[in-house]
Amino acid sequence: DTAVSQTPKYLVTQMGNDKSIKCEQNLGHDTMYWYKQDSKKFLKIMFSYNNKELIINETVPNRFSPKSPDKAHLNLHINSLELGDSAVYFCASSPHSNTEAFFGQGTRLTVV
Amino acid sequence: GENVEQHPSTLSVQEGDSAVIKCTYSDSASNYFPWYKQELGKGPQLIIDIRSNVGEKKDQRIAVTLNKTAKHFSLHITETQPEDSAVYFCAASLSGSARQLTFGSGTQLTVLP
Repeated sequence: DTAVSQTPKYLVTQMGNDKSIKCEQNLGHDTMYWYKQDSKKFLKIMFSYNNKELIINETVPNRFSPKSPDKAHLNLHINSLELGDSAVYFCASSPHSNTEAFFGQGTRLTVV
Repeated sequence: GENVEQHPSTLSVQEGDSAVIKCTYSDSASNYFPWYKQELGKGPQLIIDIRSNVGEKKDQRIAVTLNKTAKHFSLHITETQPEDSAVYFCAASLSGSARQLTFGSGTQLTVLP
């Protein structure tokens, strides 16, 4: 009955690899997000997406790309992983024009 | 773009005391200010929020105040309990919603028994 679920919870991979993090929400929300939380706990939005538009934070490298097979899913694909990509990635969702964002439990990505 | 500064970065209080966390924002057009609590190993969770047309909002032991002129807002927790220990984030939004939130850098609150 988890509202926003991400898989995997932990991901360890080598530099240069391509990986994906999956996110699903069962709340019927219109908008989904990806956030990156660095080692200092700083939370920064990467993408905001609904069925009408994708808003990309201009600081996000184009090695990162969101893919939404349907309204309930927003997966994060990362190509050519770098050491600096190590962080906790959070998926979140919110109803259209509503104020509360519901976060998943996070995926801790470690690039070695 | 919007910039949100949050202070202090760490805060320790005795159980039963009050805790205050302060944030300032740069864009006067921001109109929605939520506060999120993040417990260890979990995602952030909304605890209270305020819109720019309101100066203060309270929910049991938690209150938020907003000073639009000075562009700062604060979180007040009274009668703190050990379970209040967590990282607290303020945020600001230009869209009036959860879209395009800019977060502060977080405050690690520790409530000592």
